[in-house]
Amino acid sequence: EVQLVESGGGLVQPGGSLRLSCAASGFTFSSYEMNWVRQAPGKGLEWVSYISSSGSTIYYADSVKGRFTISRDNAKNSLYLQMNSLRAEDTAVYYCARDVAAASYNWFDPWGQGTLVTVSS
Amino acid sequence: SYVLTQPPSVSVAPGQTARITCGGNNIGSKSVHWYQQKPGQAPVLVVYDDSDRPSGIPERFSGSNSGNTATLTISRVEAGDEADYYCQVWDSSSDSWVFGGGTKLTVL
Repeated sequence: EVQLVESGGGLVQPGGSLRLSCAASGFTFSSYEMNWVRQAPGKGLEWVSYISSSGSTIYYADSVKGRFTISRDNAKNSLYLQMNSLRAEDTAVYYCARDVAAASYNWFDPWGQGTLVTVSS
Repeated sequence: SYVLTQPPSVSVAPGQTARITCGGNNIGSKSVHWYQQKPGQAPVLVVYDDSDRPSGIPERFSGSNSGNTATLTISRVEAGDEADYYCQVWDSSSDSWVFGGGTKLTVL
């Protein structure tokens, strides 16, 4: 069974840092591109970051560029999101999602269950 | 950056057909994906590449995409279809994924 399990969320003060992890199982992790998506309380989905299967290509949403860093360890079947200079508006549930490719199009399937990050003093 | 516009809410009686739209500039030239999210749960893919269904998704779920509007159609709506639905596209001009604001489907 394909599974993604996020961890590392919690309460952090504004300006602080947090590192999220996403453990993958049930598929060949090193063959897939991955993403982080977040959802603020009561709000919609917001894409955060993308990383290619090798880690050589990375994209960020403008809202996190320069503060967040996505990375992966294919040997450990794990995806990471290092979050620095956190702000109240970064408060959200963070999901990791596998990027499935076919022909020239991609989509997200599946998603992890999410981990909650709360930025507050 | 590219913007996707969805109606905040759609209501439909059980057994009827629900249509959820996703508007974007020339969205017909893009590949549109749809996700269902029930309260407290992670999103689930229900339609990909405009109109294809993942395995396990009922045939009642279908999609179309043309011009400036993509549409998710749910036929013979059931109480269990009540959820938030999001459309998604890749914006190659900004190398970013874009989600619509989401539509809450209420089954009356």
